[in-house]
Amino acid sequence: GNSVTQMEGPVTLSEEAFLTINCTYTATGYPSLFWYVQYPGEGLQLLLKATKADDKGSNKGFEATYRKETTSFHLEKGSVQVSDSAVYFCALSDQTVGNEKLTFGTGTRLTIIP
Amino acid sequence: DTAVSQTPKYLVTQMGNDKSIKCEQNLGHDTMYWYKQDSKKFLKIMFSYNNKELIINETVPNRFSPKSPDKAHLNLHINSLELGDSAVYFCASGSNYGYTFGSGTRLTVV
Repeated sequence: GNSVTQMEGPVTLSEEAFLTINCTYTATGYPSLFWYVQYPGEGLQLLLKATKADDKGSNKGFEATYRKETTSFHLEKGSVQVSDSAVYFCALSDQTVGNEKLTFGTGTRLTIIP
Repeated sequence: DTAVSQTPKYLVTQMGNDKSIKCEQNLGHDTMYWYKQDSKKFLKIMFSYNNKELIINETVPNRFSPKSPDKAHLNLHINSLELGDSAVYFCASGSNYGYTFGSGTRLTVV
């Protein structure tokens, strides 16, 4: 079945540091890939997505590229801020008609220190 | 105007009780979902409905019964609540092009 593996946290960085959160996946077919963010006490918000190989999703300074050859979708940001502190989830969506659903990674807690 | 709204936000109840969580979406999506987030933040799908029809039921105990009166609503009823049911439950709607989540219902069974 489908699965998503994320780098384990927690990750603690200083403000303005470079961020990478690794994500690899196993899937049949050609899934869509997503990054969701969960701020403390809140629900899940879509951060970015990519629907086919070599697509790059980007939002709020975050980027991730759909790499089919390495089955990866790593999240990057060049300069993090304190407000980026949250839990980040990598996810894939099964494209099988009638079985559309998100499969999530375990989440990575990110803390940014001023 | 909230896209996916669920109520209540918090629910504290005793073991053995029956409770319901309601969800509504105004995005016009055909498919709605319930996800469970455990204490370690792990998210797992429970159910999906497409236009009022049950599509996915992921080995959830039959004490959990989803009900979809129309495609904009998907409610979750839980019978005989157990301590292990304590979690955050998220409603969502959407498709492979994007899913929108509600803000969650934190259920605590005591």
